[in-house]
Amino acid sequence: GQQVMQIPQYQHVQEGEDFTTYCNSSTTLSNIQWYKQRPGGHPVFLIQLVKSGEVKKQKRLTFQFGEAKKNSSLHITATQTTDVGTYFCAGEGGGTSYGKLTFGQGTILTVHP
Amino acid sequence: SAVISQKPSRDICQRGTSLTIQCQVDSQVTMMFWYRQQPGQSLTLIATANQGSEATYESGFVIDKFPISRPNLTFSTLTVSNMSPEDSSIYLCSVGPEGIYGYTFGSGTRLTVV
Repeated sequence: GQQVMQIPQYQHVQEGEDFTTYCNSSTTLSNIQWYKQRPGGHPVFLIQLVKSGEVKKQKRLTFQFGEAKKNSSLHITATQTTDVGTYFCAGEGGGTSYGKLTFGQGTILTVHP
Repeated sequence: SAVISQKPSRDICQRGTSLTIQCQVDSQVTMMFWYRQQPGQSLTLIATANQGSEATYESGFVIDKFPISRPNLTFSTLTVSNMSPEDSSIYLCSVGPEGIYGYTFGSGTRLTVV
């Protein structure tokens, strides 16, 4: 079945440093989504990427979808303590896999003030 | 985006018993999803629940263990049956996709089986 690998598992940064997490799918995706889960909270949708090579920005966050629609990255510029949490990518396949998200393992981000 | 009310938020249960988790959505939705998230781990899809049809279970999950009801377009329940300590986990419901809002998750049920 579809698998989504995400690295790194943990990232500790000083406030102001940049952060990047990467996802790689075993199969071509219909789209990839990114979620943030604060400690003790539930996943909250950040963005969806659909097109090959797509790049989207949300303030300090930059999301990319690979040309082959199998990999993606999230980059945070100048991290802040409010960025703390676990970032998950989630791939959605097409056809009979519509609506089924396969989540990566998540990257736990810690930001030291 | 949809707003989901999930209950209970947490529970401690004896092994061998069952717990039913409820999710109420503030709008009608076609698909509802149930996930399990073990502590510090990722989310794993248990099943997809469509109104008017049997839930579709993912590999490794069976209806006898996780029966699901979907009586209407705004409500669903997941029962964790004959619980063992290995069932200790966070269970989340989700709805979507909602266009630019992706999928929305309930606040989760933290289950501890003792």
